[in-house]
Amino acid sequence: SYVLTQPPSVSVAPGQTARIPCGGDGIETKSVQWYQQKPGQAPVLLVYDDTARPSGIPERFSGSNSGNTATLTISTLEAGDEADYYCQVWDPSTDHVVFGGGTKLTVL
Amino acid sequence: QLQLQEWGPGLVKPSETLSLTCDVSGGSISNNDYFWGWIRQPPGKGLEWIGSSHNSGSTYYNPSLKSRVSIYVDRSKNQFSLRLMSMTAADTAVYYCARQDSNCGGECYLYNFDYWGQGSLVTVSS
Repeated sequence: SYVLTQPPSVSVAPGQTARIPCGGDGIETKSVQWYQQKPGQAPVLLVYDDTARPSGIPERFSGSNSGNTATLTISTLEAGDEADYYCQVWDPSTDHVVFGGGTKLTVL
Repeated sequence: QLQLQEWGPGLVKPSETLSLTCDVSGGSISNNDYFWGWIRQPPGKGLEWIGSSHNSGSTYYNPSLKSRVSIYVDRSKNQFSLRLMSMTAADTAVYYCARQDSNCGGECYLYNFDYWGQGSLVTVSS
């Protein structure tokens, strides 16, 4: 089955740029989505189809996808960005949804 | 604005069957552009996809749960339901319902979950 690999944690200072990778075999051929989840809340869609943002999501959140790694980039970090972040794809070879294990972002 | 709301028992005994329902308001569950999915999250752990279903009856399930799970879309009530049999403590989790974008030509390609319910905590205990 298809596996998405994320680092368990990333720590970055406020005002800096955070990059959260999501690794998967040939992930560049798949459409990648990113979700933000704060404690006690449902996940929120941040980025879909690799690079698109739903309405209301700040431009500080951006996505890219190349080779075997997709990346969520959060620029000008704020304390309120501290959350868990998940990547997700659809694997058409098995007709399954796959989530990454999640990355806890700490704003130092 | 689309809204989803899960409801069902918060406590289930081991070996019993969980039944959860998700009410959809502000939009039609009969919209052919979307699947309707269930995702769960055990306490302190990550997201796990359970399955996704279309109003046509087309359904996809997580292989690890496929033998125990069924999802049903009820167009007349604008809601969809989850049934998970033979519950154990390992099934204790927050269960979310969500709308999933899709593109079905010859085959279906499912994309992002764009609207989510608030989540329903289900505890398995005697």
